[in-house]
Amino acid sequence: EVQLLDSGGGLIQPGGSLRLSCAASGFTFSNYVMNWVRHTPGKGLEWISSISGNGLITYYADSVKGRFTISRDNSRSTLSLGMNSLRAEDTAVYFCAKGPFSDHLLSWFDHWGQGTLVTVSS
Amino acid sequence: EVVLTQSPGTLSLSPGERATLSCRASQSVSISVSWYQQKPGQVPRLLIYDTSNRATDIPARFSGSGSGTDFTLTISSLEPDDFAVYYCQQHLSRPVTFGGGTKVEIK
Repeated sequence: EVQLLDSGGGLIQPGGSLRLSCAASGFTFSNYVMNWVRHTPGKGLEWISSISGNGLITYYADSVKGRFTISRDNSRSTLSLGMNSLRAEDTAVYFCAKGPFSDHLLSWFDHWGQGTLVTVSS
Repeated sequence: EVVLTQSPGTLSLSPGERATLSCRASQSVSISVSWYQQKPGQVPRLLIYDTSNRATDIPARFSGSGSGTDFTLTISSLEPDDFAVYYCQQHLSRPVTFGGGTKVEIK
């Protein structure tokens, strides 16, 4: 059974940094694109970033480009999202999500983590 | 960026009724549309991918259709468990985008 366990969220001041993690199990992690998607009550779902199975190709939404960094450790089946220069508008529940392919970064999301809440506020 | 517009914003129906949800794209996305169900405080669940393919373990009462710019999710007969928010998503072009959602509520 595919399982994705998100962690690392919390309350952080504007301008601060945070690192989210997603521990994967139940599938061959290195064979699949992984993604981060966030949800806010006002804006709904927003795709943030994707990374290929081998970690060599990454995509970012314009809203986070230059501030967030997606990475993966295939030896530990772990996905990460480094978040710098956080803003109030980054407040959201962040989900890791698995794609159905290894190297096609544009796709649907077939399994989701339970989400971790990031609150950016002073 | 492809903008997805979902309508209606809210659909008020009774169990057993048919639900028809619309998703319109600002430009053609071929058949690269997926649908998700999300209940309050829960994880989004993939229902349909590539317009009309049901995901694993999704009941047959859920079906999708369309192509180009107009897409539809149909729930043939609403079950109590189906009252939720539904999102469409396109993956033809970067960035991947979602619609604003349609809430299906109990009438």
